[in-house]
Amino acid sequence: GAGVSQSPRYKVAKRGQDVALRCDPISGHVSLFWYQQALGQGPEFLTYFQNEAQLDKSGLPSDRFFAERPEGSVSTLKIQRTQQEDSAVYLCASSLAGPAAKNIQYFGAGTRLSVL
Amino acid sequence: GDSVTQMEGPVTLSEEAFLTINCTYTATGYPSLFWYVQYPGEGLQLLLKATKADDKGSNKGFEATYRKETTSFHLEKGSVQVSDSAVYFCALSGALDDYKLSFGAGTTVTVRA
Repeated sequence: GAGVSQSPRYKVAKRGQDVALRCDPISGHVSLFWYQQALGQGPEFLTYFQNEAQLDKSGLPSDRFFAERPEGSVSTLKIQRTQQEDSAVYLCASSLAGPAAKNIQYFGAGTRLSVL
Repeated sequence: GDSVTQMEGPVTLSEEAFLTINCTYTATGYPSLFWYVQYPGEGLQLLLKATKADDKGSNKGFEATYRKETTSFHLEKGSVQVSDSAVYFCALSGALDDYKLSFGAGTTVTVRA
């Protein structure tokens, strides 16, 4: 398919484990975004890439969260030493360029992380 | 910072009823406003948008008008169908961080046949 693909769809981790969440954006999309969606809430911005450059990581909740996009395509969100409060759906989105008003952000189906 | 407040749900309607979901925002300058929809089992998708005051966004029978004076962007549809059952999110992108979307909490809408 041509959409944004995220894997795994579901991840269960024991508290203290490290996890890695993958995002395959739409081919040719320069911009890539990660959002965190807690149960019953709207998505909250985590970080933004333009190609391989991470231009904004202001939404990452702690230094246990790390995102990379080394070749400007696939991105990985890594969470170290997971805590129960990290349980959420992690959404990836991509767009042709940065400004949201002119460039539709296409979202993946998300990875649901449950930390026990 | 920028924020969005939308009507709490859930909302349950009968087919062909009128739907309105209220959304208000707080932002510096002139944000762009969006409605996203999430159908069961699917990812978020853009429903409509408006980028300046008095603009009206429309799609699939849904409409919303950017009202600067009331800082609102209410979503309306005149006659809903069962297929409109979904979670609806109001969102904005600010004048400064124009790549970043700030979302409301979402409103779950269920349409009964």
